[in-house]
Amino acid sequence: KAGVTQTPRYLIKTRGQQVTLSCSPISGHRSVSWYQQTPGQGLQFLFEYFSETQRNKGNFPGRFSGRQFSNSRSEMNVSTLELGDSALYLCASSLYPGEAFFGQGTRLTVV
Amino acid sequence: DQQVKQNSPSLSVQEGRISILNCDYTNSMFDYFLWYKKYPAEGPTFLISISSIKDKNEDGRFTVFLNKSAKHLSLHIVPSQPGDSAVYFCAASLNNDMRFGAGTRLTVKP
Repeated sequence: KAGVTQTPRYLIKTRGQQVTLSCSPISGHRSVSWYQQTPGQGLQFLFEYFSETQRNKGNFPGRFSGRQFSNSRSEMNVSTLELGDSALYLCASSLYPGEAFFGQGTRLTVV
Repeated sequence: DQQVKQNSPSLSVQEGRISILNCDYTNSMFDYFLWYKKYPAEGPTFLISISSIKDKNEDGRFTVFLNKSAKHLSLHIVPSQPGDSAVYFCAASLNNDMRFGAGTRLTVKP
């Protein structure tokens, strides 16, 4: 069974641009969550989607948004990029509560 | 708001001995607790979890203990192996919203 796949692995963007990251969950997993990891703040929860609906949301500004498709694939969008958005963005999928499997992440650098 | 805390940034143990990683939380509503192992530039690898209704869960060399009254959980690795050297994160989940600790770097010396 394939694991969680995130694309692209690395991305460099300029301040003010927008970016879309993609996550394909493990087959059969309907819950997809997104996290941001930075050296200063650690791993922080962005939002969670289940059956194309956002179920939970962390404390991030509205520039961070996401969506989930009918095949459970999810995308995360960040608009008007800031230097502080440089981070490793991780996606996790789960089938049951109490478990979540992460992808390799997308390393975003904003210059 | 730091709802999950790992107060030890690093831990060093000898191969074959027990590694004990600790984690404290503040929200008594969390329903699951998870432990992850992470290498640089990779996503966290799920190790073991425990439901809030249990006090112990074991999987091979890994055992997680939960003390709800103290809002404390710990991960025991026995015996520790050099390949266990990594950063370990504990996480607490409520309705699939996971909050992570800052991590503890475990070094297992041969």
